[in-house]
Amino acid sequence: EAGVAQSPRYKIIEKRQSVAFWCNPISGHATLYWYQQILGQGPKLLIQFQNNGVVDDSQLPKDRFSAERLKGVDSTLKIQPAKLEDSAVYLCASSLDSRTGGMGNEQFFGPGTRLTVL
Amino acid sequence: AQKITQTQPGMFVQEKEAVTLDCTYDTSDQSYGLFWYKQPSSGEMIFLIYQGSYDEQNATEGRYSLNFQKARKSANLVISASQLGDSAMYFCAMRGFTGGFKTIFGAGTRLFVKA
Repeated sequence: EAGVAQSPRYKIIEKRQSVAFWCNPISGHATLYWYQQILGQGPKLLIQFQNNGVVDDSQLPKDRFSAERLKGVDSTLKIQPAKLEDSAVYLCASSLDSRTGGMGNEQFFGPGTRLTVL
Repeated sequence: AQKITQTQPGMFVQEKEAVTLDCTYDTSDQSYGLFWYKQPSSGEMIFLIYQGSYDEQNATEGRYSLNFQKARKSANLVISASQLGDSAMYFCAMRGFTGGFKTIFGAGTRLFVKA
């Protein structure tokens, strides 16, 4: 079974530039998550999708971050314009339907995209 | 509000010995789930073990076991017979109804296994 795919793996940009990350979840996984992990911290949820609808985006800085999940499969996360404090690893994860499948559905994570904003 | 606390920034253990990584949590939910994930230096998060709040027995998965003490709101991870490959960051996480099934993570504990 293929895992969660993410690209690119690394990205270096100047502040105020734009960047986009792509995620392809495990086939059949209804729930998709984007996390931001700053060095030395645990992952922080940015946005959670259930199929192609947003379940939670309370911690997404909506003035600069946007995300979409077209057709309930792949997802893209965009930052425009980037700030220095956006330097982090962006993790994508997927799981079976977290609302109907119970609490125990573990999340499967991709390798992450390491973003450096100069 | 839901919260996960991991008070050990770093831990050392001798190879082949057991080690306990601490995790305490706070929630008003009656039904919730607790998870442990491992993050090696490669960066990918790997699921280790799950404990449901209504599970009466502590969860075990191979060399991993979860010491669940509900009244104390603790969910410590025990790794038996440590191996060099266990050196990594370990994150405790929780999911509950209040958070809309959102999973929140602790700050993590870095484990170093000595040969």
